[in-house]
Amino acid sequence: GENVEQHPSTLSVQEGDSAVIKCTYSDSASNYFPWYKQELGKRPQLIIDIRSNVGEKKDQRIAVTLNKTAKHFSLHITETQPEDSAVYFCAASKHGNKLVFGAGTILRVKS
Amino acid sequence: DAGVIQSPRHEVTEMGQEVTLRCKPISGHNSLFWYRQTMMRGLELLIYFNNNVPIDDSGMPEDRFSAKMPNASFSTLKIQPSEPRDSAVYFCASSLAGTSNQPQHFGDGTRLSIL
Repeated sequence: GENVEQHPSTLSVQEGDSAVIKCTYSDSASNYFPWYKQELGKRPQLIIDIRSNVGEKKDQRIAVTLNKTAKHFSLHITETQPEDSAVYFCAASKHGNKLVFGAGTILRVKS
Repeated sequence: DAGVIQSPRHEVTEMGQEVTLRCKPISGHNSLFWYRQTMMRGLELLIYFNNNVPIDDSGMPEDRFSAKMPNASFSTLKIQPSEPRDSAVYFCASSLAGTSNQPQHFGDGTRLSIL
């Protein structure tokens, strides 16, 4: 089955700097890659997603890139702010909606 | 718009007791997912339904766990008998089913503690 690996497990950046989180997946049939943000004690919330027919997608300070050949995708957050501090999860899915999640990255933005 | 609604938000019970978690998906969504989140194992998919039919229950840990979806607006996850290792946060999520994957929207979760 699908396996998703996520790195790093923790990431600490200075406010205003950029943060990058990387994920790799094993199943070449996967075609949908969402990213979720989870604040402490809260539910995971979808922040951006990308499909396999697109190489990059951007939404304000957040962007996701996908390399299908290498089977990896990355989340980029620019101009980080303290409220970006949270746990971020990547996930992968092929047809059928079954998501397989990475282990998560704890992002700390220091002000 | 109302999101995915889960109840109860917190449950504390003694081992051996039956636990029932409830979920109401977003109106119009026809896929429903049950997840379990722990520090050790992260977010795990337990089971999911399309149009009220269980599609994949390979993540259900053992026979003590069961899930039902009697109609499009309600699902339950039951643990009987409960054990301390079942302590976790249980999330329900819903999405539209279709030919391409659709975003899943999570409820606020049920924090379950088995003593």
